[in-house]
Amino acid sequence: GESVGLHLPTLSVQEGDNSIINCAYSNSASDYFIWYKQESGKGPQFIIDIRSNMDKRQGQRVTVLLNKTVKHLSLQIAATQPGDSAVYFCAETHNDYKLSFGAGTTVTVRA
Amino acid sequence: DAGVIQSPRHEVTEMGQEVTLRCKPISGHDYLFWYRQTMMRGLELLIYFNNNVPIDDSGMPEDRFSAKMPNASFSTLKIQPSEPRDSAVYFCASSPGGAGTDTQYFGPGTRLTVL
Repeated sequence: GESVGLHLPTLSVQEGDNSIINCAYSNSASDYFIWYKQESGKGPQFIIDIRSNMDKRQGQRVTVLLNKTVKHLSLQIAATQPGDSAVYFCAETHNDYKLSFGAGTTVTVRA
Repeated sequence: DAGVIQSPRHEVTEMGQEVTLRCKPISGHDYLFWYRQTMMRGLELLIYFNNNVPIDDSGMPEDRFSAKMPNASFSTLKIQPSEPRDSAVYFCASSPGGAGTDTQYFGPGTRLTVL
């Protein structure tokens, strides 16, 4: 099947700096993308989503960018805080509810 | 809303025993999903239901796994007999469904250890 992958398995960022987490997907038919955050011992938590008819969407301190030409998705976190330390997953789907998850990027915030 | 509720949170059992995991989705959500998470394979969709009806069970590993949803507020995932390779964290998620409401909300998971 199609796969969703992440460019970097780990990211270390200084508190207060901006973080950028990248994700590549291979299914050009994917039309819905979600970023999830998973803290240790917890389930994935919805952060933000974007549909294929958009290329940018902003939330509170987070921005998701979608580049359909190169099949790339990114999550930007502004002013990274210690509470942002977690594993971040991108997920994609096409016309149904079957989400395909990437491997995850571990983000560590340095004080 | 209490969110998706799963029980038990932790389960330790011996190989060959039957294991039943339980899930209560968010009220009003029409879709329910069961996932398994391991270090080696990441998050895998096992099965999902729409309005209590199984829609896609292609991710269920083998016949030892079964899932039911007898009503809109309860689902079970059963493994019989369990094997050590079934050790993983099992998540239940629910979604409102419908156009523009695909977002899935996850429960806290059940950590299963099969000895």
